[in-house]
Amino acid sequence: DAEITQSPRHKITETGRQVTLACHQTWNHNNMFWYRQDLGHGLRLIHYSYGVHDTNKGEVSDGYSVSRSNTEDLPLTLESAASSQTSVYFCASRTDMNTEAFFGQGTRLTVV
Amino acid sequence: TQLLEQSPQFLSIQEGENLTVYCNSSSVFSSLQWYRQEPGEGPVLLVTVVTGGEVKKLKRLTFQFGDARKDSSLHITAAQPGDTGLYLCAGGATNAGKSTFGDGTTLTVKP
Repeated sequence: DAEITQSPRHKITETGRQVTLACHQTWNHNNMFWYRQDLGHGLRLIHYSYGVHDTNKGEVSDGYSVSRSNTEDLPLTLESAASSQTSVYFCASRTDMNTEAFFGQGTRLTVV
Repeated sequence: TQLLEQSPQFLSIQEGENLTVYCNSSSVFSSLQWYRQEPGEGPVLLVTVVTGGEVKKLKRLTFQFGDARKDSSLHITAAQPGDTGLYLCAGGATNAGKSTFGDGTTLTVKP
């Protein structure tokens, strides 16, 4: 069965370190997204991609970057982790806007 | 930026009660989706509505898209403890592959 997986599920890192969160989907979806979820803020879009070599900034992109070298993967990099980036991160993929977005199980990141 | 406001933010009810949660915006959306999220998991799609005035039913859940496609509601009849979770609405803009999410309604159904 097709799926979308995130790794790691939990990560603790120190302020200033570079961190990369992995997202891999086997749906063959062109559209992939990274969100962060904090109490009281629902899901906020960080970056998204409509296809290979395409990346776009979302509403909370500062301090984050993504790359899309193939259809299956959209890794999210925190260039220099900050305590404000402590959050739960979700990756999602979908065919188009009106179809279901499939979410990974999330990565809980703690920056100390 | 298109904003979606969900209300109430928190709702705690007894098993068997009915409830309605709302998703409102000043912007027009070409489609609107409702997701349910359980602790420690990612959101899972419940329904997609695309036509103004559309009503969809999913067992005890009734979803309505406003005529102007700016708002939506989710009504649950005879709520059960298994309905407990975070309910998120997400609006899609025309010609955009991304959605805007509301902040969610946290529902607790007590047995």
